[in-house]
Amino acid sequence: GENVEQHPSTLSVQEGDSAVIKCTYSDSASNYFPWYKQELGKRPQLIIDIRSNVGEKKDQRIAVTLNKTAKHFSLHITETQPEDSAVYFCAASKYGGSQGNLIFGKGTKLSVKP
Amino acid sequence: DAGVIQSPRHEVTEMGQEVTLRCKPISGHNSLFWYRQTMMRGLELLIYFNNNVPIDDSGMPEDRFSAKMPNASFSTLKIQPSEPRDSAVYFCASIPQGGETQYFGPGTRLLVL
Repeated sequence: GENVEQHPSTLSVQEGDSAVIKCTYSDSASNYFPWYKQELGKRPQLIIDIRSNVGEKKDQRIAVTLNKTAKHFSLHITETQPEDSAVYFCAASKYGGSQGNLIFGKGTKLSVKP
Repeated sequence: DAGVIQSPRHEVTEMGQEVTLRCKPISGHNSLFWYRQTMMRGLELLIYFNNNVPIDDSGMPEDRFSAKMPNASFSTLKIQPSEPRDSAVYFCASIPQGGETQYFGPGTRLLVL
């Protein structure tokens, strides 16, 4: 079955710097890749997603890139702010998110120091 | 909309006791997912329902775990008997028909002593 690896497990940056989180997946049939943000003690919330027919997607300070050949995708956060501090999860699915089978990475704890 | 509702928010119980977690999906959503989150194993899908029918329960760890969805607005996850290794945060999530974004509930933090 699908396996999603996420790196790094922890990431500390200074406010204003960029942060990059990388994920690899094993099933070449996967076609939907969402990213979730989970603040301490709260629920995961979708921040951005990308489908396999797109190589890059941006939403203000957040961008996601996808390399289908290498089977990896990355989350880029620019101009980081203290409120970006959270655990970020990548996920992959070969049926689209509505069909279940969202396989999550283990998460990256991002700390943004003021 | 109140979002996905879960109860209880916190549960402390003793090993061997039955535990029932409850979820009310967002109105109009037709897919419902149960996840378990631990530090060691991360976020794991236990089971999901589509139109109240269980579609994939391959993530249910063992026979002690069972889930039901008697109608479109209610689901339960039951652990009987509970064990200390079941301690985790259990999330319920739902998706609207034709959608892809999973909306998570606030979670139930379970501690089995």
